[in-house]
Amino acid sequence: SQKIEQNSEALNIQEGKTATLTCNYTNYSPAYLQWYRQDPGRGPVFLLLIRENEKEKRKERLKVTFDTTLKQSLFHITASQPADSATYLCARGTGGGNKLTFGTGTQLKVEL
Amino acid sequence: NAGVTQTPKFRVLKTGQSMTLLCAQDMNHEYMYWYRQDPGMGLRLIHYSVGEGTTAKGEVPDGYNVSRLKKQNFLLGLESAAPSQTSVYFCASSYSNNAGELFFGEGSRLTVL
Repeated sequence: SQKIEQNSEALNIQEGKTATLTCNYTNYSPAYLQWYRQDPGRGPVFLLLIRENEKEKRKERLKVTFDTTLKQSLFHITASQPADSATYLCARGTGGGNKLTFGTGTQLKVEL
Repeated sequence: NAGVTQTPKFRVLKTGQSMTLLCAQDMNHEYMYWYRQDPGMGLRLIHYSVGEGTTAKGEVPDGYNVSRLKKQNFLLGLESAAPSQTSVYFCASSYSNNAGELFFGEGSRLTVL
C-alpha cells in the first residue's frame, strides 16, 4: 500500500523561527502531494500542492519541496507566529478520482 | 457561501442503531468524499463519488453505505452501528479530478456505546 509518514511528535519552536515539517512516502512517487492545516475541532484546510515534476513551491511564508530521490516532502513556515500553531497534514494522490491518502499529521506549537 | 456543511455535528448511538450523516456542498463540485479520523490513524477514506448517481469504495468501506442522489448531497449511512465506528467523520468535495484541493466540512463526531 502507498503510505504517508509524518513525525507524530509535536514540534515546538520559538516565534520568528522557521518551522520545518517532514513527510515521507513509500513505494512509487505520487503524482502530487498536498499539505493541509487542521485546527482542533475543525476540518482540514488546503495550503499547498506540489507536483512530482516540481522541486519547490512557495506561497507567502510557506514553502514546500518534493524530493523524489529521498521520497520526501518538506514543509517550511518562515517567520513563524503563534497563529501558525496547528496540526499539519501531508497527503498523496492515490489513483483516479482525486483520492488522497493522508499522513497522521504533525502538531506545530509556536511559542512567544 | 457555506461551502461544505455536515449534519449532525454530534451524535451518540447505541450499538445496533442506524443513522445517516448528511453532507451538502454549494460549490457545484463533482467529487465528494467521506473520511473518518481516529487518533494515530490519520484520515481514512470510506467512500467517494465522482458524480451524481455514482459511488465507490475507499480504504475502509465496511459497515457503511453511501448515496449521491443529488449532485450537492452525499449521504453516509450506518445500518448497524458498532463501537469501532466511534470516530470523527469528515466530508469533503473537490472540483477537479487532477490534484484539485479538497474542501472539508467541520466534521461530525459520532460515539457508539
